[in-house]
Amino acid sequence: AQSVAQPEDQVNVAEGNPLTVKCTYSVSGNPYLFWYVQYPNRGLQFLLKYITGDNLVKGSYGFEAEFNKSQTSFHLKKPSALVSDSALYFCAVKRLGNEKLTFGTGTRLTIIP
Amino acid sequence: DGGITQSPKYLFRKEGQNVTLSCEQNLNHDAMYWYRQDPGQGLRLIYYSQIVNDFQKGDIAEGYSVSREKKESFPLTVTSAQKNPTAFYLCASSQTMNYGYTFGSGTRLTVV
Repeated sequence: AQSVAQPEDQVNVAEGNPLTVKCTYSVSGNPYLFWYVQYPNRGLQFLLKYITGDNLVKGSYGFEAEFNKSQTSFHLKKPSALVSDSALYFCAVKRLGNEKLTFGTGTRLTIIP
Repeated sequence: DGGITQSPKYLFRKEGQNVTLSCEQNLNHDAMYWYRQDPGQGLRLIYYSQIVNDFQKGDIAEGYSVSREKKESFPLTVTSAQKNPTAFYLCASSQTMNYGYTFGSGTRLTVV
């Protein structure tokens, strides 16, 4: 079985401050981890992924995520938040050999001007 | 441009009716997926297909049906057996197991 937890339904950050959106996962074997962003009434857009290699992954729009195997976490980060970063963010996991992607329940990020 | 096209964007259904949501991709992806999104519940997998003429049930397949007659197309039918069909439906595709998904822009279905 595979699962993802996003412990915060809502995260509020002041513009210009660093932001973190948390994600922990559970999967047997090696995980493939993903972050997606969703704007209102739109589909999900890919931000970044971890497959193997460097634990710090850089993605679109200045976002990055750190894979921590011991803590089974894959938190999304950005050094300086923009108002345009306000959206719904989803973490997802699948294990090697499994085609199905399991999503978390999402975290709504609001950047306050 | 390559991508996934979902239609219609908005769909209204009367109780007891079947409706079909369209999903077409020109990315030459082998695998296609249907997810349902409800507020606070994230995305739940309805059906997926890894190859033409083959598909598998996901976590919430009851009341839904699909077909995969062409690589490019994966339509979803919401039948009258689905008791609570009002939701946002997302179609996705992927190239290989090492990649994530590409999503369509979604169809919002409302029962009236």
